[in-house]
Amino acid sequence: EADIYQTPRYLVIGTGKKITLECSQTMGHDKMYWYQQDPGMELHLIHYSYGVNSTEKGDLSSESTVSRIRTEHFPLTLESARPSHTSQYLCASSAGTQMLNEQFFGPGTRLTVL
Amino acid sequence: QKEVEQDPGPLSVPEGAIVSLNCTYSNSAFQYFMWYRQYSRKGPELLMYTYSSGNKEDGRFTAQVDKSSKYISLFIRDSQPSDSATYLCATTDSNYQLIWGAGTKLIIKP
Repeated sequence: EADIYQTPRYLVIGTGKKITLECSQTMGHDKMYWYQQDPGMELHLIHYSYGVNSTEKGDLSSESTVSRIRTEHFPLTLESARPSHTSQYLCASSAGTQMLNEQFFGPGTRLTVL
Repeated sequence: QKEVEQDPGPLSVPEGAIVSLNCTYSNSAFQYFMWYRQYSRKGPELLMYTYSSGNKEDGRFTAQVDKSSKYISLFIRDSQPSDSATYLCATTDSNYQLIWGAGTKLIIKP
């Protein structure tokens, strides 16, 4: 089983609250990713990082922000949650040194904004 | 047009049946083709991959790519209830980013 962890697993929160979704990996991977997953839809990349102090936005417009101060840690923050942010958020990491780019996923955080 | 198309299902079959899961893709430059399996309340994990055209077999699973028709298939023989999951196809673009299909939910009935 991959050594990548996400907390919390489930979060129900009111509109306007600030939230941080945590993601940590112990594999020493340089590349980390945040995806949004909704039922019947493909995974949408919202942020990625190629290493410490490197962050990029993905192909899905998102109001969230990320930081990468340590290799193993890649938290995602929503400054003001809205019902449209309700979704499953998946964190992943990869060594990313070849075209295959196998990604290892955490169990996900299911976020519900009321 | 999406770069990778996949029918989200659900696909329900009896135990022991041969399952065929499929995707189509649009860019002929794609070279690596992957199948990830995602159990309920878990993240996806890589099941199999193929490079370019051809078949790859691993136990009850066979991955197949037909580049002439831009068609990706995953076959599961002697399907088991434990195979019930969502199967996502994916490929990589020139920046090594994964491009995903929507995933097909597979249900194997005992």
